[in-house]
Amino acid sequence: KAGVTQTPRYLIKTRGQQVTLSCSPISGHRSVSWYQQTPGQGLQFLFEYFSETQRNKGNFPGRFSGRQFSNSRSEMNVSTLELGDSALYLCASSRPQLGAYTGELFFGEGSRLTVL
Amino acid sequence: KQEVTQIPAALSVPEGENLVLNCSFTDSAIYNLQWFRQDPGKGLTSLLLIQSSQREQTSGRLNASLDKSSGRSTLYIAASQPGDSATYLCAVVTGNQFYFGTGTSLTVIP
Repeated sequence: KAGVTQTPRYLIKTRGQQVTLSCSPISGHRSVSWYQQTPGQGLQFLFEYFSETQRNKGNFPGRFSGRQFSNSRSEMNVSTLELGDSALYLCASSRPQLGAYTGELFFGEGSRLTVL
Repeated sequence: KQEVTQIPAALSVPEGENLVLNCSFTDSAIYNLQWFRQDPGKGLTSLLLIQSSQREQTSGRLNASLDKSSGRSTLYIAASQPGDSATYLCAVVTGNQFYFGTGTSLTVIP
């Protein structure tokens, strides 16, 4: 059974550019969430999607956006990149149990973004 | 707002030693708690999930306990091995959101 797949794994951008990251969840998982990980701030929640709807959002500026497609694949976009956006961006999927909001999280390997 | 703390931030032990990692959280109204390990530059690997109604979970040499009333969880690793060297993170679900601790970096010395 394939795990969570994130692409690209590594990318380098310059300030002011935009970037799109992709996440394919485990088959059957309809919840996809995104996290930013930096040495100084640790893991911070960006947003979570379920059945193409954003259910929850963390405290990030509007430059960070995402979406989910009907096949549960998700993308996140960061516009007008800043140096501080350099981080490991992690995607996780889960399959909530009946009546539950969320289930066990399974993470991808991440996309490492460097902004120059 | 839920805050999750992991102490110590780093731990170094000789191979074969049993060890305990700690996780504390400020809001006891959690839905579940999950332990992960992360190798350098990699994603997180799920180790154990404890539902709020459970007190502990076991997988191989790992045992995790949960005490919601005191806002604490511990991850017990028996007979540590060099391959256990990694950063261990705990996360709790509160208010439909996951909150992560900053992790404990474990080094097992051969």
